[in-house]
Amino acid sequence: SQQGEEDPQALSIQEGENATMNCSYKTSINNLQWYRQNSGRGLVHLILIRSNEREKHSGRLRVTLDTSKKSSSLLITASRAADTASYFCATDARAGGFKTIFGAGTRLFVKA
Amino acid sequence: GAGVSQSPSNKVTEKGKDVELRCDPISGHTALYWYRQSLGQGLEFLIYFQGNSAPDKSGLPSDRFSAERTGGSVSTLTIQRTQQEDSAVYLCASSETGASQPQHFGDGTRLSIL
Repeated sequence: SQQGEEDPQALSIQEGENATMNCSYKTSINNLQWYRQNSGRGLVHLILIRSNEREKHSGRLRVTLDTSKKSSSLLITASRAADTASYFCATDARAGGFKTIFGAGTRLFVKA
Repeated sequence: GAGVSQSPSNKVTEKGKDVELRCDPISGHTALYWYRQSLGQGLEFLIYFQGNSAPDKSGLPSDRFSAERTGGSVSTLTIQRTQQEDSAVYLCASSETGASQPQHFGDGTRLSIL
């Protein structure tokens, strides 16, 4: 079964607005990562947050991690049309092998 | 090359044929991953290599699927006796040393089984 589950499944906003995507997972993790995927392309790594971190920033991205609730959020501020893509969270479980488990993703559409 | 390269980018074949997909990781990356992505879905883990060894093959869906990696570099994913449910995009990724590191992805091979 999938470790990470994102919500919402789809999100449509106007350029300039903020976009928030959430991810929940099931087991203890070493770290959580967020990736972006443009249509027809591979995934691009955005940010990694370790299990002992609570918040991390990178440019217009802000990621939070709440290990007590087994959840993470990705905030994109001042969105642009170029941010239109699917966003996935991925987790490396502390136990159970070497898998990186990806969620089903949130499809973000930013209208110009 | 600078990134992960996969070939072919598209493959159309008839049910029952064998197919071979290739991945060239970033030079020096010891960890290599294969994933499968169905239309509009997330990624399904298939197999992980550390060097030429595959410590985790648990994601391979059936014994028709196999993978190998030679010289700690190029990897091939082979699907024998393809079925229509094998149609998907097969993505390869590499990372410097493995666990808990960012993965760098190729653009995938889009496989269509007629």
